[in-house]
Amino acid sequence: DSGVTQTPKHLITATGQRVTLRCSPRSGDLSVYWYQQSLDQGLQFLIQYYNGEERAKGNILERFSAQQFPDLHSELNLSSLELGDSALYFCASSALASYNEQFFGPGTRLTVL
Amino acid sequence: AQSVTQPDIHITVSEGASLELRCNYSYGATPYLFWYVQSPGQGLQLLLKYFSGDTLVQGIKGFEAEFKRSQSSFNLRKPSVHWSDAAEYFCAFLAPSGGYNKLIFGAGTRLAVHP
Repeated sequence: DSGVTQTPKHLITATGQRVTLRCSPRSGDLSVYWYQQSLDQGLQFLIQYYNGEERAKGNILERFSAQQFPDLHSELNLSSLELGDSALYFCASSALASYNEQFFGPGTRLTVL
Repeated sequence: AQSVTQPDIHITVSEGASLELRCNYSYGATPYLFWYVQSPGQGLQLLLKYFSGDTLVQGIKGFEAEFKRSQSSFNLRKPSVHWSDAAEYFCAFLAPSGGYNKLIFGAGTRLAVHP
């Protein structure tokens, strides 16, 4: 158990809908990361937050957004969902903003029908 | 371009046999290197990491990896594989520049273990 929690574990929704994925980092970790794992793209970095502020952006679509709250939990919002958004979404956390190992949560499996 | 290559998509070994999973990276300097393991339906668990110093690093579950700068490689090894090692293994690196912490992953190697 990494100490990173993600909810929900599974999510099934329809095209065009909007969903919110939630992540709680390890106790004391200030940095949260979101990754997408799909069969065709592999594991891809989406976005990083550090102590409430966006730190780095990766291959995140404009339909996706994230935020980190004062209690350090983070939410990833996915809107106007398409079939291709079906994937496993991982959250990870680390103590610092950089040069740090990351600890991963169990993931949320999103299925868009 | 920054990238990680894991040349073997699938590997099958017999229980008790030795294992080596290959990883090559492309980066202009020495990155921070990691191996993660993903069991079916599970998240990613950190096996080991290399930041600096001794190029042979020990990890959990009896795994070790060796960093070879001249070959831009960070291969994972285990002397005797157990059936519970069947999983997918990801090599990743962190480019320590720009003040952020993006992990770049390889495509993964799926390991099957025969009894």
